[in-house]
Amino acid sequence: AQKVTQAQTEISVVEKEDVTLDCVYETRDTTYYLFWYKQPPSGELVFLIRRNSFDEQNEISGRYSWNFQKSTSSFNFTITASQVVDSAVYFCALSEAGAAGNKLTFGGGTRVLVKP
Amino acid sequence: DTGVSQNPRHKITKRGQNVTFRCDPISEHNRLYWYRQTLGQGPEFLTYFQNEAQLEKSRLLSDRFSAERPKGSFSTLEIQRTEQGDSAMYLCASSPDGPGGEKLFFGSGTQLSVL
Repeated sequence: AQKVTQAQTEISVVEKEDVTLDCVYETRDTTYYLFWYKQPPSGELVFLIRRNSFDEQNEISGRYSWNFQKSTSSFNFTITASQVVDSAVYFCALSEAGAAGNKLTFGGGTRVLVKP
Repeated sequence: DTGVSQNPRHKITKRGQNVTFRCDPISEHNRLYWYRQTLGQGPEFLTYFQNEAQLEKSRLLSDRFSAERPKGSFSTLEIQRTEQGDSAMYLCASSPDGPGGEKLFFGSGTQLSVL
């Protein structure tokens, strides 16, 4: 069975600090996708990134960066120079490639609070 | 692209009543998903449609739950004889077939409170 663990339930930082969100996953599949979604107070989950299991290149998008380490089954997410608008709950998720549809298994989420 | 639309946004009901939620996916998306999210937890998969066919159901979906997507467009999720444990946010998502189908677009959800 697939499992995603986000050990940090809540992180509080002051604006402009960097914040790293940890994600550890378990799967028996050799081909899978990893995701990060953001859930602001409005409730709608917003897609941030998808990474497939064969692509271990780290990625940077603006102030966001992701570190995928297959050897440790981790897919961590860093927000650089955080802003108040980054306050939200962030979910890491895992999908089995080729499964019926694209059923996502989510972690429990990490609430990020950025104080001005 | 108007996004995934869910109605109602909030529903308050008494235990034992039936409720129905509606989801309108992005128009060109063939795949539609329902998830349930309880407070402080990540969303949990409930069921999946490919066009009008319901192809997968979670064990979380007891026989009091039924979902339909009659013409492969909008979908409804009905809960019969609601229980307090059904209180949660019900999220709908859609995605296209083929490349890019692994990226799910979510609606804002329907928040159900069972009193």
